Amino acid sequence: QKEVEQNSGPLSVPEGAIASLNCTYSDRGSQSFFWYRQYSGKSPELIMFIYSNGDKEDGRFTAQLNKASQYVSLLIRDSQPSDSATYLCVGGNEKLTFGTGTRLTIIP
Amino acid sequence: DVKVTQSSRYLVKRTGEKVFLECVQDMDHENMFWYRQDPGLGLRLIYFSYDVKMKEKGDIPEGYSVSREKKERFSLILESASTNQTSMYLCASSLGQSMMNTQYFGPGTRLTVL
Repeated sequence: QKEVEQNSGPLSVPEGAIASLNCTYSDRGSQSFFWYRQYSGKSPELIMFIYSNGDKEDGRFTAQLNKASQYVSLLIRDSQPSDSATYLCVGGNEKLTFGTGTRLTIIP
Repeated sequence: DVKVTQSSRYLVKRTGEKVFLECVQDMDHENMFWYRQDPGLGLRLIYFSYDVKMKEKGDIPEGYSVSREKKERFSLILESASTNQTSMYLCASSLGQSMMNTQYFGPGTRLTVL
């Protein structure tokens, strides 16, 4: 079992809708979680991080962490074509492990 | 803003050549990392360093070595390049003593080994 698992997609969402990206992790001791966005041919860039159970909002983005169920999610409200990218879920206990990413396409 | 730079965006080498990939960060970060990224496999950690002259193997160190003589610079060395090392190589850095802090990435080097 991979330490951090994501659905590879592709996930297609109409412009203006909510995009929901999900991630599960296997190490119950994991404390820190990050979401990175990676455009094609570019390097990953940090969107947000979350350490505590519950929701964390930053503009159109909301990260959710549920340690009991061992999942992390990222919601993107009012999706824009510029949100089309691969989203990487990252988490871990003593070191960070990257998921393989979910490819998101926003359809105009 | 954190800036991580890598010596080349694209590199083409021949099998058996020695290859040097260099990474420089300007934010006085203690930790530096080298990853490779391949379709369907995600980012895989090759080596990381938490201090000058200190290095630790990651998940896939075979065929690679690293050097960190100065805090801002972390080099990845392919002693004898092989075609299965064709990949995108990403360098990252992070602050502090913990391996769990936010990592900032360089632009990447796409290496092709013929």
